[in-house]
Amino acid sequence: AQSVTQLGSHVSVSEGALVLLRCNYSSSVPPYLFWYVQYPNQGLQLLLKYTTGATLVKGINGFEAEFKKSETSFHLTKPSAHMSDAAEYFCAVTFRQGVAGTASKLTFGTGTRLQVTL
Amino acid sequence: DSGVTQTPKHLITATGQRVTLRCSPRSGDLSVYWYQQSLDQGLQFLIQYYNGEERAKGNILERFSAQQFPDLHSELNLSSLELGDSALYFCASSVGISGGQDTQYFGPGTRLTVL
Repeated sequence: AQSVTQLGSHVSVSEGALVLLRCNYSSSVPPYLFWYVQYPNQGLQLLLKYTTGATLVKGINGFEAEFKKSETSFHLTKPSAHMSDAAEYFCAVTFRQGVAGTASKLTFGTGTRLQVTL
Repeated sequence: DSGVTQTPKHLITATGQRVTLRCSPRSGDLSVYWYQQSLDQGLQFLIQYYNGEERAKGNILERFSAQQFPDLHSELNLSSLELGDSALYFCASSVGISGGQDTQYFGPGTRLTVL
């Protein structure tokens, strides 16, 4: 069974500081990994995803994440935080399906609320 | 704007009642997923449809059911509502042909409050 662990339910950084949100996964087969962001009273928006190929993935709004198989991690980083980055971030995992339309449900972590202070 | 629409945005009802949540996927997407977000359970997968057929079930209660219509919109029916069903219900859609790696696009959600 797949699972995702996000370390730290709340992270606070100063504006301009490095953002690091941690995600570790458990999967018995090669995973597909996603980071989604949820702003207050809104749905989830995809930041980036890893499927195959290059392990360093760049996403929107200056975020990136690196897939490290040996560490079963997919941490999200941004070099310089901005006030507009304050939101809840969710790491999610799914895995390869052989048949079109076969279940590819996302298994989410519990989320990390990012606070950005002046 | 993800292109996924959900109605209504808010729903307030009483225990024991039945409600229907509606979702229209992005144009061209064949897969529709329903998720529940609550404070105690987090984001949980409920059910998936692909081109009108049920493809997977997650932690969906027997009181809940869903369907996807020929025009690909989907409805989630919740009956005999309990206080614990109060949550944010999200619909997501994807192309559905890439075997798991296609992006799921989420709608804005329906916030259900059961009093």
